[in-house]
Amino acid sequence: DSGVTQTPKHLITATGQRVTLRCSPRSGDLSVYWYQQSLDQGLQFLIQYYNGEERAKGNILERFSAQQFPDLHSELNLSSLELGDSALYFCASSAITASGDAQYFGPGTRLTVL
Amino acid sequence: EDQVTQSPEALRLQEGESSSLNCSYTVSGLRGLFWYRQDPGKGPEFLFTLYSAGEEKEKERLKATLTKKESFLHITAPKPEDSATYLCAVQPNYGQNFVFGPGTRLSVLP
Repeated sequence: DSGVTQTPKHLITATGQRVTLRCSPRSGDLSVYWYQQSLDQGLQFLIQYYNGEERAKGNILERFSAQQFPDLHSELNLSSLELGDSALYFCASSAITASGDAQYFGPGTRLTVL
Repeated sequence: EDQVTQSPEALRLQEGESSSLNCSYTVSGLRGLFWYRQDPGKGPEFLFTLYSAGEEKEKERLKATLTKKESFLHITAPKPEDSATYLCAVQPNYGQNFVFGPGTRLSVLP
């Protein structure tokens, strides 16, 4: 157990709908990262927040948005969903350990768009 | 454009048969190179971070090494429970996103 929690575990919805994925980082971690993993694309970085502010942006579609709240939990909003958005969505938080930087991943949310 | 490649794509080993996985990168900078293990349907599990050429880190049967253009993950006397996909990622500079490779799918047969 990495200490990063994500809800829900599974989400099934229809095209055109909007969903919200939630992530709580490990206690004390200020950074939250969102990733998308599909079979044909591998792990793709979407966006990073640090203590409530956007820190880095990857290949995140305009239909997707995210935010990090004062209690450090984060939400990823996906709207106007398309079949191609079906994927595993992971959240990670980072820390500096004795052996260097580390990213700890949550269990993921499996999104299925029908 | 920052890029990370991994080889081989898939590797089948007999239990006890040592081997190495390769991660090659072309990036604007190198703040850190990261190795992860991922089991099907689960989130990646952090293994190592390497920062500079010549650095090595070990954990049980795994040893990661780093040169200026690539990293190797050496697996010594693997067991079936080492079967997983091994991912490599690079963070070019502090505050930038992590660039992941496609992974190597390792199967260790008893």
